[in-house]
Amino acid sequence: SSELTQDPAVSVALGQTVRITCQGDSLRSYYASWYQQKPGQAPVLVIYGKNNRPSGIPDRFSGSSSGNTASLTITGAQAEDEADYYCNSRDSSGNLDVVFGGGTKLTVL
Amino acid sequence: EVQLVESGGGLVQPGRSLRLSCAASGFTFDDYAMHWVRQAPGKGLEWVSGISWNSGSIGYADSVKGRFTISRDNAKNSLYLQMNSLRAEDTALYYCAKGAAAGTVDYWGQGTLVTVSS
Repeated sequence: SSELTQDPAVSVALGQTVRITCQGDSLRSYYASWYQQKPGQAPVLVIYGKNNRPSGIPDRFSGSSSGNTASLTITGAQAEDEADYYCNSRDSSGNLDVVFGGGTKLTVL
Repeated sequence: EVQLVESGGGLVQPGRSLRLSCAASGFTFDDYAMHWVRQAPGKGLEWVSGISWNSGSIGYADSVKGRFTISRDNAKNSLYLQMNSLRAEDTALYYCAKGAAAGTVDYWGQGTLVTVSS
């Protein structure tokens, strides 16, 4: 099965831009999706497909992809963006199989 | 409004079984794949299993293959996870999640906690 690799922790100053990356072979074939998880809460989808935001997700969140790397960019990070972020994609090995990255803890300074 | 409500979690001894259920509402259940995703205490998300809209395609993580069985009842808008031969490392919060295109999971329940301990 595939693996997706994320940096364990990233920090950003309030109002600045931060990029969170996700690497894996499956990303050469499939777009990544990105999820935000705050303590004690279920994950929330923030980016999917080429660069799509579900209803209610601020436009400071955007996604991009190149080769085996997907990125989530937060432009003008806010205090409420401090959370864990996970990428995922379809697994290369199976029709329904899904793989998640290990997660990135974002700290807003 | 999409709602996914898990139930069936609890404390169970190693080697025993447990069946999780997920009641879905707010969308046409039999149009979508569904997944179980778990999160061990203080750890990241781990995909456990997925099932297509008509149960024709099913997948499992290597860590649960041969022990867990996913199923669904479209008439009851319900998703299930039968967990056998439970191990301590299966201790986690288990989320029911609605599938979307290409591996995306667009809605999550609040989870049900499974604790495997003697």
